[in-house]
Amino acid sequence: AQKVTQAQTEISVVEKEDVTLDCVYETRDTTYYLFWYKQPPSGELVFLIRRNSFDEQNEISGRYSWNFQKSTSSFNFTITASQVVDSAVYFCASLRGGYQKVTFGTGTKLQVIP
Amino acid sequence: DGGITQSPKYLFRKEGQNVTLSCEQNLNHDAMYWYRQDPGQGLRLIYYSQIVNDFQKGDIAEGYSVSREKKESFPLTVTSAQKNPTAFYLCASSFMGKGEAYNEQFFGPGTRLTVL
Repeated sequence: AQKVTQAQTEISVVEKEDVTLDCVYETRDTTYYLFWYKQPPSGELVFLIRRNSFDEQNEISGRYSWNFQKSTSSFNFTITASQVVDSAVYFCASLRGGYQKVTFGTGTKLQVIP
Repeated sequence: DGGITQSPKYLFRKEGQNVTLSCEQNLNHDAMYWYRQDPGQGLRLIYYSQIVNDFQKGDIAEGYSVSREKKESFPLTVTSAQKNPTAFYLCASSFMGKGEAYNEQFFGPGTRLTVL
């Protein structure tokens, strides 16, 4: 069974600070996928990124960056120069290759203070 | 515009009543899912369907029922057997197939159910 741990329940930062959201996953599969979703106060989950287990290349998209390290089973998410609009709950999730059931972490609530 | 719609946005139910939550998608996705979210918790899978007229139980299916008569629609019924139904319900859909492009799920705006 897969497991996703987001140890940080809530984080508060002042606008323009950098912040890293941690995600640790557990799996026995060789093929799996990792995701990050954003849930703003409106409630709808917004897909941010997908990473497969064979691609450890880090990715940057604007102010967002992701660090995937199989050696530590981590898939951390960094927001650079945070903005108030980044305030949301962020979920890390995993999926076994060939299956449809996604396992979600419990989420990290990020509050960016102006 | 393509997307997933859920209705209603807010729903109030009296104890002992069944209630049905609607989920429609026009993304031509094969698979559809229902999740429950409680305050401060992650998403828990209730049911999912990979094809019309077929569905599988998720982790917390007791007290819920679904149907998949059309590819576009996957309604969820919260029955009176569900002892603690007050929660936020999210519907999602995805393609199925080989390759990573078929993995991510897209979510609807959710329905907040409150039992009075």
